[in-house]
Amino acid sequence: EAGVAQSPRYKIIEKRQSVAFWCNPISGHATLYWYQQILGQGPKLLIQFQNNGVVDDSQLPKDRFSAERLKGVDSTLKIQPAKLEDSAVYLCASRPTATGRSSEAFFGQGTRLTVV
Amino acid sequence: DAKTTQPPSMDCAEGRAANLPCNHSTISGNEYVYWYRQIHSQGPQYIIHGLKNNETNEMASLIITEDRKSSTLILPHATLRDTAVYYCIVRVAGRGSTLGRLYFGRGTQLTVWP
Repeated sequence: EAGVAQSPRYKIIEKRQSVAFWCNPISGHATLYWYQQILGQGPKLLIQFQNNGVVDDSQLPKDRFSAERLKGVDSTLKIQPAKLEDSAVYLCASRPTATGRSSEAFFGQGTRLTVV
Repeated sequence: DAKTTQPPSMDCAEGRAANLPCNHSTISGNEYVYWYRQIHSQGPQYIIHGLKNNETNEMASLIITEDRKSSTLILPHATLRDTAVYYCIVRVAGRGSTLGRLYFGRGTQLTVWP
């Protein structure tokens, strides 16, 4: 079974530039998450999708971050404009169903963003 | 917010059992205990989860105390490849917008030495 695919693997940009990350979840997984992991910390949830709808984006800095999941499959996360403190690994994860209490989440390898 | 407390680091000799503790004193009756690990430069990987009973799979065993306020993840025969950050997570169960959400703390850095 193919895992969660993310690209690019690494990205370096200057502050105030824009950047976009792409995620392809495991086929059939209805729930998709984006997490931000700053060096030395655990992942922090940014946004949760159920199919193509946003379930929770309360932790997403909406002045500069946006995310979409068109057609309920692939998802993109965008930062515009980037700040130095956005340097982190951005992880995408998916789960088979929103109703299963014990189903596990599968994570991609992440995109490491460095803002200089 | 993370609802668990873990030691920041532990080490273990290769071939020995690694016992990683976790405190979750405010856990609710319908919340599960999940364990994930993150090997350097990779995304977190699911290990095991449990509600009340002890659980075992091919990777590890999970021992949950009777009052459910703490648990221990056991890697019975640690190898060098088990070196990773281990996260203990209390997961909100049930329907609604919070279903399936994982709140990560800082975890425990386990170092397995030869």
